[in-house]
Amino acid sequence: DAGVIQSPRHEVTEMGQEVTLRCKPISGHNSLFWYRQTMMRGLELLIYFNNNVPIDDSGMPEDRFSAKMPNASFSTLKIQPSEPRDSAVYFCASRWRTGGVVGSPLHFGNGTRLTVT
Amino acid sequence: AQTVTQSQPEMSVQEAETVTLSCTYDTSESDYYLFWYKQPPSRQMILVIRQEAYKQQNATENRFSVNFQKAAKSFSLKISDSQLGDAAMYFCAYGVYGNKLVFGAGTILRVKS
Repeated sequence: DAGVIQSPRHEVTEMGQEVTLRCKPISGHNSLFWYRQTMMRGLELLIYFNNNVPIDDSGMPEDRFSAKMPNASFSTLKIQPSEPRDSAVYFCASRWRTGGVVGSPLHFGNGTRLTVT
Repeated sequence: AQTVTQSQPEMSVQEAETVTLSCTYDTSESDYYLFWYKQPPSRQMILVIRQEAYKQQNATENRFSVNFQKAAKSFSLKISDSQLGDAAMYFCAYGVYGNKLVFGAGTILRVKS
C-alpha cells in the first residue's frame, strides 16, 4: 500500500500563475478530500468527493479554485490565478466510505506546500 | 453545524510522564465517530486513535487512550509514558457517517527531556 500520493511536494509560483496540485488516493478508497492548512485557519476542508462525484464544495474559497476527480485514482486541485493569500499546505486524503455507522479514518498524503510570491 | 474545540493551544510534558489533551465537540447527531491525529514537524498526518460514539468502552492504543464522555461531548486523549517522539501537533476530529471530518484547531505538545 503506497498510501495517498500527492505531487508536487513543494510549489513556488508567482502571483497570477496557474497552479495544479495532484493526488492519487489509496487504491480501493471511494472518498477523497482536499484540505488546506494555514497557521491562522488551521485545517479547512475545501471539497470532498464520494465515488468521484463532488459532494460538498462549500469550503472552496472562491471561483479561482476548482477541483476534479476524473476517475477513482486521480484528483486535481487547481488555482487560477493564484494569489499570495493562497500560500498554505494543501492535503489530499482518502478513505473507504462504509455502508454502516462505523466511520473509517482518513488517510492523508504528505501535502503540497504552496508558496505564492 | 458541527464544531470541534481544542482549548489548549500548547501543552508541555516531561519525558515518561502522562499528559491529557482536551477536546470538546458540538453535535445533534447520535451516531458519529471521533479521531485523534498527530502531525509531527514532517507535517505528515498520522492517525493515533479512533472512537465510535455507540461504543461505551474507551479506545486504547498502546500508550494512547481516550476518555470519551458522550453526554458531555468530550473526547480527551491521554498519553502515558511520554516520549520525545510524541512531540507534535495533535488534532481532534469529528465525523458523521458518509460525511466530512471536522478538525479542531490543534494542540502543540512539547516533550521535555
